[in-house]
Amino acid sequence: GAVVSQHPSRVICKSGTSVKIECRSLDFQATTMFWYRQFPKQSLMLMATSNEGSKATYEQGVEKDKFLINHASLTLSTLTVTSAHPEDSSFYICSAGQINYGYTFGSGTRLTVV
Amino acid sequence: GENVEQHPSTLSVQEGDSAVIKCTYSDSASNYFPWYKQELGKGPQLIIDIRSNVGEKKDQRIAVTLNKTAKHFSLHITETQPEDSAVYFCAAGGPGTYKYIFGTGTRLKVLA
Repeated sequence: GAVVSQHPSRVICKSGTSVKIECRSLDFQATTMFWYRQFPKQSLMLMATSNEGSKATYEQGVEKDKFLINHASLTLSTLTVTSAHPEDSSFYICSAGQINYGYTFGSGTRLTVV
Repeated sequence: GENVEQHPSTLSVQEGDSAVIKCTYSDSASNYFPWYKQELGKGPQLIIDIRSNVGEKKDQRIAVTLNKTAKHFSLHITETQPEDSAVYFCAAGGPGTYKYIFGTGTRLKVLA
């Protein structure tokens, strides 16, 4: 089955620094990947749609300059949280889709900003 | 806008009993309805899905039913086991898009 690998699984960073999270589709090509944010005991909130070779599409209320998305190849999308603050602490999850097979989610990244 | 309502938010059942989680969607164009299981600290895992041309689908102890007229779909887990304990999310998607709308989640606890 489709496998999506996400790294790192956990990261702690200092306020003001930037953190990069990688999402890779291991056995299929993903022209589209998605980035979600999940707060404790809440549902998944779609942040942006990452399109290979073009700009990401951000959901309303998501700062594109703060959450930089790059989808440079058909198997890799990255999310960079810039100038991180404690309120950016959250669980970030990526996913990739295949036609007729739905989403496959990564294992998530727990970001803690101190 | 489009939304998906999911009930209940928490559900406790005795091991061996059945569990039912229900979702209602608003967008009549939705035609794909997956269910995901999320364990603590992990990403969601697809457990079963159904398309709008099918009314019911079963995979061992898990089944999903869809009522397009009422815009309802439900997850049924029979003979529940402690390892079924997790958060379950439903989602609804439209044709030609992977942009799914997720329900708010149900925390299922199976008591041994």
